[in-house]
Amino acid sequence: GAGVSQSPRYKVAKRGQDVALRCDPISGHVSLFWYQQALGQGPEFLTYFQNEAQLDKSGLPSDRFFAERPEGSVSTLKIQRTQQEDSAVYLCASSENWGDYGYTFGSGTRLTVV
Amino acid sequence: RKEVEQDPGPFNVPEGATVAFNCTYSNSASQSFFWYRQDCRKEPKLLMSVYSSGNEDGRFTAQLNRASQYISLLIRDSKLSDSATYLCVVNYGQNFVFGPGTRLSVLP
Repeated sequence: GAGVSQSPRYKVAKRGQDVALRCDPISGHVSLFWYQQALGQGPEFLTYFQNEAQLDKSGLPSDRFFAERPEGSVSTLKIQRTQQEDSAVYLCASSENWGDYGYTFGSGTRLTVV
Repeated sequence: RKEVEQDPGPFNVPEGATVAFNCTYSNSASQSFFWYRQDCRKEPKLLMSVYSSGNEDGRFTAQLNRASQYISLLIRDSKLSDSATYLCVVNYGQNFVFGPGTRLSVLP
């Protein structure tokens, strides 16, 4: 596609509910990042994939967070048993290689846990 | 010390002014540096990479000082459309760390 596509655009979840956020990177992009952005703050790194390999997941805040990219293209970020502190915008970004020339973000999924 | 720090802002400047933002980083091994801009409720968009020799793109100039672990962004002749949050980005190993951002408002 022309850009990085994320869905859903908005998600309201009840506390304790599981959610799945989808990212379609730009076709052919090897590197894929997930970030979490709280209101008024910069994006916080969550995890990084190179093709299907998850090379860094050090930013995932707890074991309730899980990300996968099984075929090296679409990625899913799953949050189990959502808590109010999970409310944020979840941003996905991709780049052709590692990202040394910068990378392109999707519009994000705004998650609100009530 | 936080990994990436930026001027807290906000910066409120009149149209036509020159404004500079600063960013410091803690990892001396970092090799890749960028400036992104983020409009309200939108995703970050790459503004420019920052190279060792410094680089310019129109009204925008980025500088890197490795010895002081410091990068800067200079905007000349600011336009109303430059109003946004400017995010400094630095690599830490394989991941990229964002600063908290500096908000700029260009006033008519």
